[in-house]
Amino acid sequence: QPVLTQPPSVSGTPGQRVTLSCSGSTSNIGGNYNFVYWYQQLPGTAPKLLIYRNNQRPSGVPARFSGTQSGTSASLAISELRSEDEADYYCAAWDDSLPGQVFGGGTKVTVL
Amino acid sequence: QVHLQQWGARLLKPSETLSLTCDVSGGSFSGYHWSWIRQPPGKGLEWIGEVSHTGNSYYNPSLKSRVTISIDTSKNQFSLELSSVTAADTAVYYCARVDIVVVVDGIIHDAFDIWGQGTSVTVSS
Repeated sequence: QPVLTQPPSVSGTPGQRVTLSCSGSTSNIGGNYNFVYWYQQLPGTAPKLLIYRNNQRPSGVPARFSGTQSGTSASLAISELRSEDEADYYCAAWDDSLPGQVFGGGTKVTVL
Repeated sequence: QVHLQQWGARLLKPSETLSLTCDVSGGSFSGYHWSWIRQPPGKGLEWIGEVSHTGNSYYNPSLKSRVTISIDTSKNQFSLELSSVTAADTAVYYCARVDIVVVVDGIIHDAFDIWGQGTSVTVSS
């Protein structure tokens, strides 16, 4: 069982806004300096960093992707949904209790 | 532009040792951690472990007894060995760079910001 909890799937229509959730605990998401990271994995490819340190976007990631964190939970919002956003999305964080990196089980985003 | 290129045996028999290497080119090797992550078929990502450029290592407790991640700074390479493999170790294995941020009371294990292409490893008799 993954340490971080994500819904298995989320769907939306083109142009819609969807929100993906990620739930953890005080030893990971809610810990001191324990930021949340989001990765996008397109079919058949390696994951790609989408959001780092809760809400920062690497160069080249569209502003349609945004991250938030509050307490032991985090969210990834995708606005103006596009067909190319169909992918699996994983949240991750450092867990002080292991110590080590932990991932969520992933959320599959489907564009209807 | 930093690039990670990985290779290793793709078909193993149960009880053998999985061995993969990741070559780092186009950037600094120091100041980062270097990690291995795997993904079983149809499943999510699992962190295996990571090593600093000075050789300090962190391992997933569930795999710790079978895993060794080593580093060769002279070649800008790091490697994974997983012993006594079973069918449950069948997965795509990725190497990745871990950005590290130094803070007052330690370090932040930051993003997996660069990934290798992945190596599909099958364990079957």
